[in-house]
Amino acid sequence: NAGVMQNPRHLVRRRGQEARLRCSPMKGHSHVYWYRQLPEEGLKFMVYLQKENIIDESGMPKERFSAEFPKEGPSILRIQQVVRGDSAAYFCASSPFTERNTEAFFGQGTRLTVV
Amino acid sequence: KNEVEQSPQNLTAQEGEFITINCSYSVGISALHWLQQHPGGGIVSLFMLSSGKKKHGRLIATINIQEKHSSLHITASHPRDSAVYICAPENRDDKIIFGKGTRLHILP
Repeated sequence: NAGVMQNPRHLVRRRGQEARLRCSPMKGHSHVYWYRQLPEEGLKFMVYLQKENIIDESGMPKERFSAEFPKEGPSILRIQQVVRGDSAAYFCASSPFTERNTEAFFGQGTRLTVV
Repeated sequence: KNEVEQSPQNLTAQEGEFITINCSYSVGISALHWLQQHPGGGIVSLFMLSSGKKKHGRLIATINIQEKHSSLHITASHPRDSAVYICAPENRDDKIIFGKGTRLHILP
């Protein structure tokens, strides 16, 4: 079991470009969470998805950010028209489709730098 | 006031010392996670607990639900334990709230 896989590990984008961050959950996991860690700050919840369904996007900025978790393939966090303030580490975690209080498994993160 | 408070924010200790990191939270929770973030940035889940005490090797985590407090202990600390330790309660809506972390540095 390869664990939660995020790619790329490092992503550099110019202001105004689009950033696509990918997360492949652990095998058998159908719940995916995205978190953002700004420099010198703690992790902040962004969005919670199940396959083909957004469960909770209360932590997502209102504009430019979107997330999906299709039936096939990885979850994608998409940031359009990136700005310098989007520079951060973005972490994905997955958990299995079971009852609550399950352990979360984190990916290694994608470090986005906007220049 | 933050929903999750960790103390200390920074801790430097000598190899072999017993380490305690404290976490207080104000929300009702269903469980609490302790996470370790390595200098390279990767995050590892150390514990998930909802009552009592858990032990993995040299790491011990305790939680007191009534007092809304959890502690992470490291016995016989080692330089490879140097990392940021994050307390993360999970509220009753299954949403994880993260503390700002405790930066631990163990000197050889």
